[in-house]
This record gives sequence, structure tokens and C-alpha cells, in this order.
Amino acid sequence: EAQVTQNPRYLITVTGKKLTVTCSQNMNHEYMSWYRQDPGLGLRQIYYSMNVEVTDKGDVPEGYKVSRKEKRNFPLILESPSPNQTSLYFCASSYLEPTGELFFGEGSRLTVL
Amino acid sequence: AQTVTQSQPEMSVQEAETVTLSCTYDTSENNYYLFWYKQPPSRQMILVIRQEAYKQQNATENRFSVNFQKAAKSFSLKISDSQLGDTAMYFCAFMSYTGTASKLTFGTGTRLQVTL
Repeated sequence: EAQVTQNPRYLITVTGKKLTVTCSQNMNHEYMSWYRQDPGLGLRQIYYSMNVEVTDKGDVPEGYKVSRKEKRNFPLILESPSPNQTSLYFCASSYLEPTGELFFGEGSRLTVL
Repeated sequence: AQTVTQSQPEMSVQEAETVTLSCTYDTSENNYYLFWYKQPPSRQMILVIRQEAYKQQNATENRFSVNFQKAAKSFSLKISDSQLGDTAMYFCAFMSYTGTASKLTFGTGTRLQVTL
């Protein structure tokens, strides 16, 4: 089954404790991206990757890091989480073509205390 | 930079009725794509419908159709014969493609409630 898998789905952590949200897709997509969803703000892009070893900042990259060492994986790293990073996070992937449909993971609810 | 505006934070419609969700966008590009995504209470993001800007014909998917007005930069979603399962948050999204970059920009969403 074609899917984008995120883990963990739910996480409560404390300020400053490094965490990683994993994302994996099994569709051989070149393009992968991370979004955060906040009430009243819609989805905002954090980082994206056009292919292995190619990453770039989205609209709200501050406080986040990513890596793309393998085509299927695109982890999101919060080196020192802060309460303003409490949010719902989505990973998404697609083929790198103009009409490529974005496939989304199920979301990861992160709370930073 | 592209912007997407959804001016209706919440809407309500009775079952079997028709409802239209509004979306406007701003861009200087000529080639782009527009999408409507649905997010039910399960939080899953589901593609509802897609429109290529170079196509004049409005996209249709079963009970869902769009009214794409390129000159006015408007992209509204019409849901016919509304069903309880249509209750969800709906996001309008814009994607540009330059051959080397692809970026999807979302609106702030419209929460649709379908009632009996």
C-alpha cells in the first residue's frame, strides 16, 4: 500500500529536549516536505527536499533541521524545542512533476511544555 | 510570493443542499496548479480536486466542482448534494512549478459543517 508514515503520532516533551519526527514514503517520490498546521494559519511549509541531499527552507524553518540521506526518508529534527513549536506536523511527498499530487502522512501532534 | 486567501472561516449547509467555498490567490506566474484538500476530524489530508491553470475547463469530481476564474484569480469549490461525511476543514492550495522548485501554499481553511 502506497503511504507516507510518520512517527511518533503523538508526543509530549519538555523545552530543550531534542527530538526527531521520522517520515518515510514507499512510493519512490523525489519530493518531500514538512508542514506545520496551527489554528487560523493553515499549513505552512517548514522545509522541503527535491531529491537526496537536496534540501531547502520553506516559510517557517527557524528552530528546525532536516536531512535527506535516503530517498525514502526525510526526518524533522527539533534540536531545542520551545513551546511555540507545539503544533500538528505533516510530512508529504510527491513525484517531481507539475501535477504531482502531494501524499500526506497522518500527522504528528507535538506538545512542548 | 504567492498568497492564498479563504475568507470564510466557517460555513454550514444542510444535507442534500449545495454549498460554495471561496478561494482567491495572488501570483505573477502564468503556469500553476490549484487544489482543494479536505481534512476530516481524522486529520488526514485528502485531495478533493485539482485544476491546471492552462486549462479553461473547470475540473469536476463527482459531487465536487470548481469555478476557476483565472483573470479574477478566483478558485471556488462547489459541493453538490452535501453529505454528512463532507463535514471537514477544507483548504485551498496553490502550487507553482519552475522546473527546479515546487512549492504548495495553503490558505487558512474553511470549516464546513453539514447538518441534518
